[in-house]
Amino acid sequence: AQRVTQPEKLLSVFKGAPVELKCNYSYSGSPELFWYVQYSRQRLQLLLRHISRESIKGFTADLNKGETSFHLKKPFAQEEDSAMYYCALNANAGGTSYGKLTFGQGTILTVHP
Amino acid sequence: DGGITQSPKYLFRKEGQNVTLSCEQNLNHDAMYWYRQDPGQGLRLIYYSQIVNDFQKGDIAEGYSVSREKKESFPLTVTSAQKNPTAFYLCASSRPGQGDEKLFFGSGTQLSVL
Repeated sequence: AQRVTQPEKLLSVFKGAPVELKCNYSYSGSPELFWYVQYSRQRLQLLLRHISRESIKGFTADLNKGETSFHLKKPFAQEEDSAMYYCALNANAGGTSYGKLTFGQGTILTVHP
Repeated sequence: DGGITQSPKYLFRKEGQNVTLSCEQNLNHDAMYWYRQDPGQGLRLIYYSQIVNDFQKGDIAEGYSVSREKKESFPLTVTSAQKNPTAFYLCASSRPGQGDEKLFFGSGTQLSVL
């Protein structure tokens, strides 16, 4: 069975400092991984997906199959980055499948001024 | 405002009562999902549906039921068999593709037990 672990429930940094939100996974197949974000009083929304290799709002995440990790990083945190972040894994990746996701427990990021 | 609409925003359930949470989408998505969000536990999948008139159990389906009679609608019933129903419930939809499609979420329903 697949599993996603986010070891930090809370993470606090100061504005301008680097930030890294950790995500580790266990899955026997080829993973499709995502980061979702929930800002205060907003809906949960996709931040980025590993397959796109994109940088969104200055965040990047690299899939490390050797360490089974998908850490989210940003070199200079901003106050507006404060939110709940969820790492998620698609358990039916490949072929014509659907987005049945396994989520981690979430990390609340607080960026102080 | 297109997207996913969940109602009501807050719902209270009495002991032994069944309650139904509504989820409607106008995104023309085939797939719809129900997740339960508990503090410190992240999101857990209750039920999902890939297509009309078909649905599958997720990881925590016991005490819940769903129907998918229309593409736009995927209501969730929390039955009296669900002993710990207090949680935040999120509905989502997606357009099935190659496994990298994104989920669109509703704004959620907070269910509490009286």
